[in-house]
Amino acid sequence: DAMVIQNPRYQVTQFGKPVTLSCSQTLNHNVMYWYQQKSSQAPKLLFHYYDKDFNNEADTPDNFQSRRPNTSFCFLDIRSPGLGDAAMYLCATSERTSSYEQYFGPGTRLTVT
Amino acid sequence: GDSVTQMEGPVTLSEEACLTINCTYTATGYPSLFWYVQYPGEGLQLLLKATKADDKGSNKGFEATYRKETTSFHLEKGSVQVSDSAVYFCALGIIQGAQKLVFGQGTRLTINP
Repeated sequence: DAMVIQNPRYQVTQFGKPVTLSCSQTLNHNVMYWYQQKSSQAPKLLFHYYDKDFNNEADTPDNFQSRRPNTSFCFLDIRSPGLGDAAMYLCATSERTSSYEQYFGPGTRLTVT
Repeated sequence: GDSVTQMEGPVTLSEEACLTINCTYTATGYPSLFWYVQYPGEGLQLLLKATKADDKGSNKGFEATYRKETTSFHLEKGSVQVSDSAVYFCALGIIQGAQKLVFGQGTRLTINP
């Protein structure tokens, strides 16, 4: 089945230690998104790639970076995680159609100790 | 700016009760509207969508109608099941290059047997 895969599902990192989260897709969609979802809150868009074109949200901290080496993979890098970065990180994809429906992965829950 | 306001939760119902979760939106232009569901520890799944005024989205017994005159997209189900227990997010989709989703705050639904 075509899908959005996130690895790992659970990640523990230390305060200030760089961490990378991974997302892959078999849908061949040209748009990939990263969202941050803190406990009991709505997902918040961090940035998205439209093909190789990177689009950062205005309020996304510089501590968060992303890479998309090819259509299938997208990475979220947190350069110096703080305690406030503990959250669920959701990857989503969409194709440029009339509805732009987004397909979400299962998420990676990040704990910062 | 664009925003979504959802009925606050948590909502607790008995099995086979009727469900309505209210959702209203503010948007410039003509957004698409979505309901996503999130089960514990998982990512978001698209439940239903509507792309223009008066469209009705439906899936798994859930329905919602895009009402432009009242800027609403209320989620309804005639008879809920224990397995419907989850968090429900209303969202609007706006096109800025790619689609961006603006989420409501989510409504936690618990169905008791």
